[in-house]
Amino acid sequence: DGGITQSPKYLFRKEGQNVTLSCEQNLNHDAMYWYRQDPGQGLRLIYYSQIVNDFQKGDIAEGYSVSREKKESFPLTVTSAQKNPTAFYLCASQGRGYTFGSGTRLTVV
Amino acid sequence: AQSVTQLGSHVSVSEGALVLLRCNYSSSVPPYLFWYVQYPNQGLQLLLKYTSAATLVKGINGFEAEFKKSETSFHLTKPSAHMSDAAEYFCAVSTTGANSKLTFGKGITLSVRP
Repeated sequence: DGGITQSPKYLFRKEGQNVTLSCEQNLNHDAMYWYRQDPGQGLRLIYYSQIVNDFQKGDIAEGYSVSREKKESFPLTVTSAQKNPTAFYLCASQGRGYTFGSGTRLTVV
Repeated sequence: AQSVTQLGSHVSVSEGALVLLRCNYSSSVPPYLFWYVQYPNQGLQLLLKYTSAATLVKGINGFEAEFKKSETSFHLTKPSAHMSDAAEYFCAVSTTGANSKLTFGKGITLSVRP
């Protein structure tokens, strides 16, 4: 079945460490997105990519980085510069509609 | 620019009662509008979407929403709430064309009382 796979589901890191969240899709979608979800704040766009080797900053890109070397993959790196990285992260892709992964809950201690 | 406003963060209804979740949008171009549902620690599931066809949109699980351009609204309704409807609901807006992206409201948590 086609879909989006985010891994791992839960991730723990120490403060000051970079961490990379995985997002893979087999839907042959060109566009992919990363959102951050915090209680009471909805989903906020971090980065998006409309095509391979190209990506744009979203509303809250500071402290994050991405790459889009393959159509299927859009990994997100949470750097030590992100002041409050503990959150639920959702990846999505867009074809005729939007498809979401099941999310990664990152906890930084 | 586009934005979504979902008034209130929590709605509580009795089982069997009407569910009404409000959504107002702002968009400089004709929008596409969406309602998503999220269960704890899961991704988003599409309930329904408006893409400039019929203004009354029927979705899954008995939900429907009506697009009202004059009121810039896209409220979600369900005639009779079920316990399994308890979840968080997000309204979202997007445009078409290059650099389209989904913009979400803050979400509403729906509780259903027995």
